[in-house]
Amino acid sequence: AQTVTQSQPEMSVQEAETVTLSCTYDTSESDYYLFWYKQPPSRQMILVIRQEAYKQQNATENRFSVNFQKAAKSFSLKISDSQLGDAAMYFCAYRSYGGSQGNLIFGKGTKLSVKP
Amino acid sequence: DTAVSQTPKYLVTQMGNDKSIKCEQNLGHDTMYWYKQDSKKFLKIMFSYNNKELIINETVPNRFSPKSPDKAHLNLHINSLELGDSAVYFCASSPADSHTGELFFGEGSRLTVL
Repeated sequence: AQTVTQSQPEMSVQEAETVTLSCTYDTSESDYYLFWYKQPPSRQMILVIRQEAYKQQNATENRFSVNFQKAAKSFSLKISDSQLGDAAMYFCAYRSYGGSQGNLIFGKGTKLSVKP
Repeated sequence: DTAVSQTPKYLVTQMGNDKSIKCEQNLGHDTMYWYKQDSKKFLKIMFSYNNKELIINETVPNRFSPKSPDKAHLNLHINSLELGDSAVYFCASSPADSHTGELFFGEGSRLTVL
């Protein structure tokens, strides 16, 4: 069974600085998706960024980028120029690729605080 | 229009009661899910339905019963509510052969059992 581990329960960053959230996962599959979801206090689950395992290029979405290391099974999220609105819970998630694809498997989350 | 909508958003009830949470998606997706987020924010899959058929049924008490009248709706019925059922319940949907793998989430329903 696949597992997702986020080893940082809480992180803090100064506004305008850069922060990196860690995520590791365990799987025997070769094709899969990885995601970072953001959950602000409003509790809505918002997709931040997505990576297909077969793509070597790291995904980037504006200030958000990932460092995907497939061999190491690592998928970290870098937030550049942090803003107050980035304060939220961040969840790393895994999903199998192909077929019925199955469900999203989440890590336990990292609570990010942004200091003005 | 909200893509995945859940009702009610908040629900406060007494132990032993029976309650339902409704979910509707207007995205034309084939697969719908229920996730439970506990007090520590951990998100865990409860059920998954594909075209009205159950395809995942994780180990949840049989007091929880999903009902899918059609592929746009997946309701969650809970019998004999217990204190430990207090949580936020998320509905989600995805296409059966998604190229992105993304799940689309509703806003969550916070259930408080007193």
